[in-house]
Amino acid sequence: ETGVTQSPTHLIKTRGQQVTLRCSSQSGHNTVSWYQQALGQGPQFIFQYYREEENGRGNFPPRFSGLQFPNYSSELNVNALELDDSALYLCASSLWGGNTEAFFGQGTRLTVV
Amino acid sequence: AQSVTQPDIHITVSEGASLELRCNYSYGATPYLFWYVQSPGQGLQLLLKYFSGDTLVQGIKGFEAEFKRSQSSFNLRKPSVHWSDAAEYFCAVGRFPTNAGKSTFGDGTTLTVKP
Repeated sequence: ETGVTQSPTHLIKTRGQQVTLRCSSQSGHNTVSWYQQALGQGPQFIFQYYREEENGRGNFPPRFSGLQFPNYSSELNVNALELDDSALYLCASSLWGGNTEAFFGQGTRLTVV
Repeated sequence: AQSVTQPDIHITVSEGASLELRCNYSYGATPYLFWYVQSPGQGLQLLLKYFSGDTLVQGIKGFEAEFKRSQSSFNLRKPSVHWSDAAEYFCAVGRFPTNAGKSTFGDGTTLTVKP
């Protein structure tokens, strides 16, 4: 068991709506990364948060935004949902500079209709 | 820019047979290399990782992988496959040593195991 928890597990939204996904990082980890995994593809890096600030972003538009809280948990917000945003969203926690791997949560399955 | 290529989209092996999943990477510095396994609708479970040192690394569930810098490869192997190994396998490269969380993944290889 990795200790990384994500909520909700499944979500259905309508195109144009906004959604917030949540992630609690593993104890002792201070860095949270978010990934989007479309059907049949590998996870794509969205962005990472360290010390409550964004630390790198992949090729995703500004309507994808995030937050990290003092307890290192994190939120992913997506505005103006599009059909192509339907995917499994994965959160990974890690220790900055810790020479260790990242641990993934079970993901949130988002369906946009 | 870093990239990962998994040339085999789908592999089918018989139970008890050996397995090799291929992974080639492109990275401008010393890489972190990982293999993850994903069951349908689930998150990613780490099988093994390479940071430095011995180029043959052992992982969980009887898997091993060999890092070959000259070939930019990190192939995953298992001597005898079990039916429960059927899943999606992902190779990933991350930044050494500070940031394993920011990784680039391949598109995965789906493993089917025949009885």
